[in-house]
Amino acid sequence: GDSVTQMEGPVTLSEEAFLTINCTYTATGYPSLFWYVQYPGEGLQLLLKATKADDKGSNKGFEATYRKETTSFHLEKGSVQVSDSAVYFCARLTQGGSEKLVFGKGTKLTVNP
Amino acid sequence: DAGVIQSPRHEVTEMGQEVTLRCKPISGHNSLFWYRQTMMRGLELLIYFNNNVPIDDSGMPEDRFSAKMPNASFSTLKIQPSEPRDSAVYFCASSPRLAEGETQYFGPGTRLLVL
Repeated sequence: GDSVTQMEGPVTLSEEAFLTINCTYTATGYPSLFWYVQYPGEGLQLLLKATKADDKGSNKGFEATYRKETTSFHLEKGSVQVSDSAVYFCARLTQGGSEKLVFGKGTKLTVNP
Repeated sequence: DAGVIQSPRHEVTEMGQEVTLRCKPISGHNSLFWYRQTMMRGLELLIYFNNNVPIDDSGMPEDRFSAKMPNASFSTLKIQPSEPRDSAVYFCASSPRLAEGETQYFGPGTRLLVL
């Protein structure tokens, strides 16, 4: 079925380090792909999205490219800040015209000063 | 824009009691989603509505759970009777329309603890 697999956390980095959080999806069609971020005590917020192959989503210094060859949508940021500490979720839409989002397990990121 | 509004933000109840969670979607949004988040199972979709009509309730765990959307600006998720394993954070989300790639906007969640 439709699923998303993202790297296990937690991830701990120092400020200004490079971030990569891996995400792969099951290859049923070309679903829209999303990264959501959840700050402590809050709901999820859309960070970026890509709706077709080779699209690059970007926001707040984060980027992710829709790679159909590797069925991946890895999240990257060149220089993380303490304020980026949060849980990051990769998600895809299910097939068949449904609006159901399938989420990965989430990756907790902690950035230390 | 006030965003998606959920109430209460926190709920503590005893096993066997009825629990009602409430959601007000963003004005003008046609789709509404209820999710449950736990450490063990992650984020799960329970049910979603489009134009106030339930489209898919396959994620509702059992008959103890029910959801309604009597109008475009209000939805409830009810658990009766509640059990300790229902303890979780419940999120409501809305989106402008049922369309490919459309963003879902999440509320702050209701943290439920069933003792």
